[in-house]
Amino acid sequence: AQKVTQAQTEISVVEKEDVTLDCVYETRDTTYYLFWYKQPPSGELVFLIRRNSFDEQNEISGRYSWNFQKSTSSFNFTITASQVVDSAVYFCALSSVYGGATNKLIFGTGTLLAVQP
Amino acid sequence: ETGVTQTPRHLVMGMTNKKSLKCEQHLGHNAMYWYKQSAKKPLELMFVYSLEERVENNSVPSRFSPECPNSSHLFLHLHTLQPEDSALYLCASSQGSGASGVNTDTQYFGPGTRLTVL
Repeated sequence: AQKVTQAQTEISVVEKEDVTLDCVYETRDTTYYLFWYKQPPSGELVFLIRRNSFDEQNEISGRYSWNFQKSTSSFNFTITASQVVDSAVYFCALSSVYGGATNKLIFGTGTLLAVQP
Repeated sequence: ETGVTQTPRHLVMGMTNKKSLKCEQHLGHNAMYWYKQSAKKPLELMFVYSLEERVENNSVPSRFSPECPNSSHLFLHLHTLQPEDSALYLCASSQGSGASGVNTDTQYFGPGTRLTVL
């Protein structure tokens, strides 16, 4: 069975703090993809990153960084020097090559990040 | 650029009404999706269309009827809905056609339609 767990339901930080959002996944497949999406109050899911299971290099994009560790089945997301505009719900998702006939994204339940000024 | 658009953004309807949600993608993609997002629940995949053919239907009640006239447009026709159908309905698209039966391309989402059923 495939599953994505985001244990942190809500996180509140003060602006300029660093914050890490946890994501743990389960899959029996050796080839799979992991995603992070941001959902601001407007509702749209904004794509942030896609990572395949063979690429364990950490990635940095501006204030965002991702730490992929296959040994612990985790794909954590860190925001450095958080800003009020980072306030949103963040979703981690998993897509398996062998998950079925279609591109089925398995989403976690999301983490609500509130950045206070 | 707004890759995936959805209209209307907000919809309030009675249980006996018939309405339609519209989604349009401007990304040249071949696959389109409908998701339902209810409070406190994970996103639920409802329907998938690949090259205008329905390839996935996740046990969705018949009061939801999708239509995909071409690869750029996707509709969700609603009739005799229940109050528990109130949710955010999200449309997404992805590049691949899934012709090989496997498709893990990134999905790009629209802003959603906030539906309230009275």
